[in-house]
Amino acid sequence: GAGVSQSPSNKVTEKGKDVELRCDPISGHTALYWYRQSLGQGLEFLIYFQGNSAPDKSGLPSDRFSAERTGGSVSTLTIQRTQQEDSAVYLCASSLGLSGANVLTFGAGSRLTVL
Amino acid sequence: AQSVTQPDIHITVSEGASLELRCNYSYGATPYLFWYVQSPGQGLQLLLKYFSGDTLVQGIKGFEAEFKRSQSSFNLRKPSVHWSDAAEYFCAVGASSSASKIIFGSGTRLSIRP
Repeated sequence: GAGVSQSPSNKVTEKGKDVELRCDPISGHTALYWYRQSLGQGLEFLIYFQGNSAPDKSGLPSDRFSAERTGGSVSTLTIQRTQQEDSAVYLCASSLGLSGANVLTFGAGSRLTVL
Repeated sequence: AQSVTQPDIHITVSEGASLELRCNYSYGATPYLFWYVQSPGQGLQLLLKYFSGDTLVQGIKGFEAEFKRSQSSFNLRKPSVHWSDAAEYFCAVGASSSASKIIFGSGTRLSIRP
């Protein structure tokens, strides 16, 4: 597609429920990132996919968080047993290239509210 | 692993005044450095980037940044700010090794005084 697409744009859920957030990157972009932006906070790195390599999961805050990327394209971030502190905007970005010189194109984000 | 520090959480400047936003990074080799801007209700947009060569880089909207290896800094500057520059600004660093994540700072919120 023309840009990075994220869905849903807004999600309200009850504490303890599982949620799935979807990211559709720019066609041909081999790298895909997930970040979390809490109110008044910066962008917290969660996970990074590069081609067929094993993902860098070093930013996932707990084992309730997981992500997969199917066919090197669409990615899904899953949060199990959601907690109120999981409330945030979850941003996806994609890029070309294999190095830290990647310029990221961001999606509009998925705003998650856990009641 | 690389890291980024933006020491100023919130800065207010008068319209027409000059601006400097600070960014310090930590990385063992030459980093790749970025500034992104997030305007209210908007997505993140790249302002400028440094990969190599001239240490003074020009970006969009009249912004520039200077890479200073000796100070591990990549400060963002603008000679005269406009009300539309009010936004959140993020510095980011990528490693020059292969296949690397991009790490962002905590951001600096810029307010413009009329």
